[in-house]
Order: sequence, then structure tokens, then C-alpha cells
Amino acid sequence: EAGVAQSPRYKIIEKRQSVAFWCNPISGHATLYWYQQILGQGPKLLIQFQNNGVVDDSQLPKDRFSAERLKGVDSTLKIQPAKLEDSAVYLCASSPQGANEKLFFGSGTQLSVL
Amino acid sequence: KNEVEQSPQNLTAQEGEFITINCSYSVGISALHWLQQHPGGGIVSLFMLSSGKKKHGRLIATINIQEKHSSLHITASHPRDSAVYICAVTGGSNYQLIWGAGTKLIIKP
Repeated sequence: EAGVAQSPRYKIIEKRQSVAFWCNPISGHATLYWYQQILGQGPKLLIQFQNNGVVDDSQLPKDRFSAERLKGVDSTLKIQPAKLEDSAVYLCASSPQGANEKLFFGSGTQLSVL
Repeated sequence: KNEVEQSPQNLTAQEGEFITINCSYSVGISALHWLQQHPGGGIVSLFMLSSGKKKHGRLIATINIQEKHSSLHITASHPRDSAVYICAVTGGSNYQLIWGAGTKLIIKP
């Protein structure tokens, strides 16, 4: 079974630039999560999708972050413009149907904003 | 007070020792997850449980719903078990995933 795919693995940009991350969940998984993990801290939920609908985006900084999952399969997370404090690992996870089921994580995208 | 508390925050032990990591929670839950994160690595789900006990290899996870407490045990610990172990619960008012702060485990050879 293929796992959760994320790309790119690493990204270095300058502040005020834009960046996009891509995630392809496990086939058939309805729930997709984007997390931000700052070094030394636990993951922070940015957005949760159920199919192509948003379940929770309460912690997404909507002035600069956006995410979509148009066809209910793969998803993109965008930051525009990036700030220094956005430097973190961005993790994508999926589960068959929500947080009552086992979660599967991608390897993450490590973003450095200079 | 955090809704999910883990202890200890840091744990260093010698190879072969029996390891216990604890997780207490203060909300109603429908499931509890134990996850593992190696340095620079992704997160792997170890267990998801809602009652009783689960075992996988040298890892054992237990949960006591009445006491709102779970433990993760590692038998015959090995340096490759060195990682951050995270407890997370599906609970709260909207049954979202609530994360503990993690326990950093170091096993010395």
C-alpha cells in the first residue's frame, strides 16, 4: 500500500516569497490534515478536510495561508507571502474517516524562510 | 491546564530497560493514539485504542477509560527506540485530535 506522498521534501525561500506544498493521501482516505511543526514543538493543526470540504481551519492564518482539496483527493497548501516564523515542517496526514481511525503521515516538507 | 498531559517529558534509560510513558487526559474521548517521531523523521502511528490493551512486538499500550489514563510500555528497550512518543486523543467538544506535548526518549547502549 502506497503511503502519504508529500513534495517537495525541502524548500528554502526568502521572506515575502510564495511557496506551495503538495500532498497525495492514501487512496480512499476521506480525511486529510495539514499540520505545522515548529522545531521542538508538537504538531499544530492548520486545516482538516473531509473529502473536499473543510472540517476545521480555525488555526489557519488565513491572511497568508490557503489550502484546497478540490477533487477530494490530493491537496495543496500555499503560503503567500512567507514570514520568517513560517519556518517549520509541514506534515500531511490522512485517515479513512476522521480521527477515530489510524492516522498515516507523510514525510513532511521542511520549509526554511530566510 | 492542557487537555492531554504526558509524563515524563524526557526519559533516558539504558538498553534493555523496561520503559513506561504515561498519558492523562481531561476530556471525553472516542479514541487515543500513540505515535512515534524520530529526529528529522515523519510521524508513525503506533496504536489507536479505545479500551483495554494492544500489543505489537515489544510495544504495549493500555488505556483505563474510567481513570482517563493510558500508558505506553517498551520491553527490552533498544537504542533504535530513541524517539519522541506522542499521545493524542480524539475528543473534546468537536471530537478533533488533541495532542500531548510528547516524551523524548533516549536509550543508551
